[in-house]
Amino acid sequence: ETGVTQSPTHLIKTRGQQVTLRCSSQSGHNTVSWYQQALGQGPQFIFQYYREEENGRGNFPPRFSGLQFPNYSSELNVNALELDDSALYLCASSPDRRREKLFFGSGTQLSVL
Amino acid sequence: EDQVTQSPEALRLQEGESSSLNCSYTVSGLRGLFWYRQDPGKGPEFLFTLYSAGEEKEKERLKATLTKKESFLHITAPKPEDSATYLCAAPGAARQLTFGSGTQLTVLP
Repeated sequence: ETGVTQSPTHLIKTRGQQVTLRCSSQSGHNTVSWYQQALGQGPQFIFQYYREEENGRGNFPPRFSGLQFPNYSSELNVNALELDDSALYLCASSPDRRREKLFFGSGTQLSVL
Repeated sequence: EDQVTQSPEALRLQEGESSSLNCSYTVSGLRGLFWYRQDPGKGPEFLFTLYSAGEEKEKERLKATLTKKESFLHITAPKPEDSATYLCAAPGAARQLTFGSGTQLTVLP
């Protein structure tokens, strides 16, 4: 059974650019959540996808968007990058949207210069 | 607004020196309190879920307890490999987890 995998592991972008982060959920999991973790802080909820539809969103602007594919893998897209977007982006999967226990990937470290 | 607060922010222990980490929460209709361990540059790793006041769970040198307003993670005779950031979290109204800022634990040999 493979766990949650994310790519790339590290990324450097400049302000104003766009970025796409990818996530493969754990086998058998149909729900994917994305979190942003700034240095020294706990993860903050961005949004959740269940069966290819957004199923909840945190307090993030519309330039943060996502997709979930039929195989339950997911993408996080961020447009018009700002310096404050520098963070560890975590993907987590769960067997069902009603199950709050999450299984996390190792994250993508994004640096915006 | 759902809030989860952890203390202390950082804790340094000598190997074998037991201690406790605190997590207080204000969440309406608590549906579980989660503890995770996070190593540097990695994602959080699930440790425990507690569902009701009085519940306790143990794993090796860790024991988590829950009251109506807070949870404790007790670390007995810690080893250097227990060094990590410990996060607690509670599900919000939309089921997403609200995390605390974590306690960074360092265990010195």
